[in-house]
Amino acid sequence: EAGVVQSPRYKIIEKKQPVAFWCNPISGHNTLYWYRQNLGQGPELLIRYENEEAVDDSQLPKDRFSAERLKGVDSTLKIQPAELGDSAVYLCASSLSLAGFHEQYFGPGTRLTVT
Amino acid sequence: GENVEQHPSTLSVQEGDSAVIKCTYSDSASNYFPWYKQELGKRPQLIIDIRSNVGEKKDQRIAVTLNKTAKHFSLHITETQPEDSAVYFCAADSWGKLQFGAGTQVVVTP
Repeated sequence: EAGVVQSPRYKIIEKKQPVAFWCNPISGHNTLYWYRQNLGQGPELLIRYENEEAVDDSQLPKDRFSAERLKGVDSTLKIQPAELGDSAVYLCASSLSLAGFHEQYFGPGTRLTVT
Repeated sequence: GENVEQHPSTLSVQEGDSAVIKCTYSDSASNYFPWYKQELGKRPQLIIDIRSNVGEKKDQRIAVTLNKTAKHFSLHITETQPEDSAVYFCAADSWGKLQFGAGTQVVVTP
């Protein structure tokens, strides 16, 4: 069974430029998450989707970040414009959320460097 | 919201010894507690988890204990090996939202 797939794996951009990340979850997983992981810290949730619906986007900086999950499968996360402080690893995770338990499986992440 | 504290931040052990990592959480509604292992440059990998109706769970050399009254849970690794070297994260799930601890860098020296 294929795991969570993310692309690109690395991205270097100049500040004020846009950037987009793509995620394909594990087949059949209805819940998809985007996390940001700063160096030396644990992942922090940006947004959680259940099927097509964003059920928790309270931590998403909506002035510059946007996300979508069309057809309840793949998802994209966009930053426009990027700032120096956005440099981090962006992780996508998915789970099959049943009976209130959420075993989350992570993708390899996209390492973003903003210069 | 949930707040998870994790200790220690670094842990150095001799190969063959045991390692213990402790976490506390604040939200009594949290009912699922996974542990992730993250090697340098790699994805976090789920290694063990425990649900609120269970006090202890073991899988080969790793075990997790949960004390709901005190709101703390711990990871125990026995007979440590060099390949156990990594950063370990605890997390608490409240209503489908995982809150992670800050991580513990474990170094196993031969």
